Amino acid sequence: NAGVTQTPKFQVLKTGQSMTLQCAQDMNHEYMSWYRQDPGMGLRLIHYSVGAGITDQGEVPNGYNVSRSTTEDFPLRLLSAAPSQTSVYFCASSLLPYSNQPQHFGDGTRLSIL
Amino acid sequence: AQTVTQSQPEMSVQEAETVTLSCTYDTSESNYYLFWYKQPPSRQMILVIRQEAYKQQNATENRFSVNFQKAAKSFSLKISDSQLGDTAMYFCAFRDSKETSGSRLTFGEGTQLTVNP
Repeated sequence: NAGVTQTPKFQVLKTGQSMTLQCAQDMNHEYMSWYRQDPGMGLRLIHYSVGAGITDQGEVPNGYNVSRSTTEDFPLRLLSAAPSQTSVYFCASSLLPYSNQPQHFGDGTRLSIL
Repeated sequence: AQTVTQSQPEMSVQEAETVTLSCTYDTSESNYYLFWYKQPPSRQMILVIRQEAYKQQNATENRFSVNFQKAAKSFSLKISDSQLGDTAMYFCAFRDSKETSGSRLTFGEGTQLTVNP
């Protein structure tokens, strides 16, 4: 059972470039989300989805775009990378939203913007 | 908006001893969920323990237990018989049950725990 799989694990971009961080889960979870983790801070929610075809903004959505065409996949797009987006990105999923079901996290993507 | 505060940026403990990590939160909701996650140097986020606000009994998972004080909005984590593998960053997290929250986890700043041999 792979759980939550994120690719790539590391990426270096130049300012202005675009890229997509991939996230896939094989647990048939309805809820998926993206967080970023910056030094000295806990994780902050970027975007989330409560099911295929449904997405919404989290706490820090600016500069990011998401889509959810299937239950399994939830890619995160950086439209025009900026140095402020240098961070570690985590994808997470849980069986149901609004419940005590814990979120399962991927291993993270370390992204550096030069 | 909910906030989660971990007032101890760093802590250390000797192997086999007991340590308690503090967490306080602020919310006006009555129904919510609390979690402790562990992040070792490998960067993985690993669930340690969870607590439902409607349950009065404190959750326990082997060597890990919580002291949940709902009125005081406090949720501390106690690690008994500390092991070297417990060395990690520990995050306290809050999740409410309302649809308007986006089911987000609100995290504290983290406590870096070091277990010394």
